[in-house]
Amino acid sequence: GQQLNQSPQSMFIQEGEDVSMNCTSSSIFNTWLWYKQDPGEGPVLLIALYKAGELTSNGRLTAQFGITRKDSFLNISASIPSDVGIYFCAGPRGSGAQKLVFGQGTRLTINP
Amino acid sequence: DAGITQSPRYKITETGRQVTLMCHQTWSHSYMFWYRQDLGHGLRLIYYSAAADITDKGEVPDGYVVSRSKTENFPLTLESATRSQTSVYFCASSSGSSNQPQHFGDGTRLSIL
Repeated sequence: GQQLNQSPQSMFIQEGEDVSMNCTSSSIFNTWLWYKQDPGEGPVLLIALYKAGELTSNGRLTAQFGITRKDSFLNISASIPSDVGIYFCAGPRGSGAQKLVFGQGTRLTINP
Repeated sequence: DAGITQSPRYKITETGRQVTLMCHQTWSHSYMFWYRQDLGHGLRLIYYSAAADITDKGEVPDGYVVSRSKTENFPLTLESATRSQTSVYFCASSSGSSNQPQHFGDGTRLSIL
């Protein structure tokens, strides 16, 4: 079945550093979604990508839809303590646009 | 604006017991979903519903039962809980319109002893 592989699984950085993470698949996706999960809460959508090559920003976050349609990247610039959490990529499973498959997540820890 | 709420937030039960997790949304969203979150697996879809009285299996449906008699509620039942079902369970909803995201509840942490 479709699987999404996120890298790295965890990151430990200093406040102010830039962050890069990625998500890859053996299957083509027509939509890429990036969610963030704060401790004790449910995931919240950060950025949605709908077109190959698309580059979309949300404040200090920038995400790109890979041109092969098999990968996506999320960058965070000038990290701050509230960026701590787990970041998930997700995409529609099969032909069902509403059914999502999620990556395993990247856990971000920031040292002040 | 309550949005989507899950109850209980925490539950401890024993193997073999039946337990029901509740999910309620106030947006009149057509679609509702149940996921489980485990270390190393991210979120995996258990069941979903496209509308009242319409449900379908997700990736990991075994051992779970759902119903959707009303649009706003989507309970998840473990008929005979097993230790492997210890997890954090998330409910989500969406309107089903293109480019509309799924909105998640805050989760139920379920421990089965």
